[in-house]
Amino acid sequence: DAGITQSPRHKVTETGTPVTLRCHQTENHRYMYWYRQDPGHGLRLIHYSYGVKDTDKGEVSDGYSVSRSKTEDFLLTLESATSSQTSVYFCAISDGGGSYNEQFFGPGTRLTVL
Amino acid sequence: GIQVEQSPPDLILQEGANSTLRCNFSDSVNNLQWFHQNPWGQLINLFYIPSGTKQNGRLSATTVATERYSLLYISSSQTTDSGVYFCAVDPTDSWGKLQFGAGTQVVVTP
Repeated sequence: DAGITQSPRHKVTETGTPVTLRCHQTENHRYMYWYRQDPGHGLRLIHYSYGVKDTDKGEVSDGYSVSRSKTEDFLLTLESATSSQTSVYFCAISDGGGSYNEQFFGPGTRLTVL
Repeated sequence: GIQVEQSPPDLILQEGANSTLRCNFSDSVNNLQWFHQNPWGQLINLFYIPSGTKQNGRLSATTVATERYSLLYISSSQTTDSGVYFCAVDPTDSWGKLQFGAGTQVVVTP
């Protein structure tokens, strides 16, 4: 199994509070991704990173920011959480290289915004 | 953007039965992955299959990229096969940004 951990695994917070989710990998993979999973939508990409300090937006990036100061860590921040951001958040990693891009997923973080 | 459709949305199988899940996509892709999300929420990689056929135990997958579809075969199903099966495509025009289908919910009964 790919060495990916996410913390916290569960979090309950209140509307308007900032929240930071952490993804940590031990695989030294270049690419890291944040997805959210909601019923009926599969997974949708929020942001991704293609190297330290290099990030870009995904399909549902509004209300989220990310940072990557080290290869192994990718942080997702909700600056002011809203109830619509209640979801399960997954981090993924890939080694990339040419057209090969198999992504491996972490265990997920269940976030509830009250 | 690219559309990814999975069918059927739900599938109930008796243990030992065979089944086929389908994934259609609307545009050209660099690659395609199949995942199994188990009842505990974990996403497990099944196949990385941009084209051709692969087999892994009782599971196999075929992707026909020119016709924009992929099939996942489950043979001799077991209760541990229960969960949601997702296909995800990596579009040619947006490398790395996986686009997921809505999934097929599979329930295998004893």
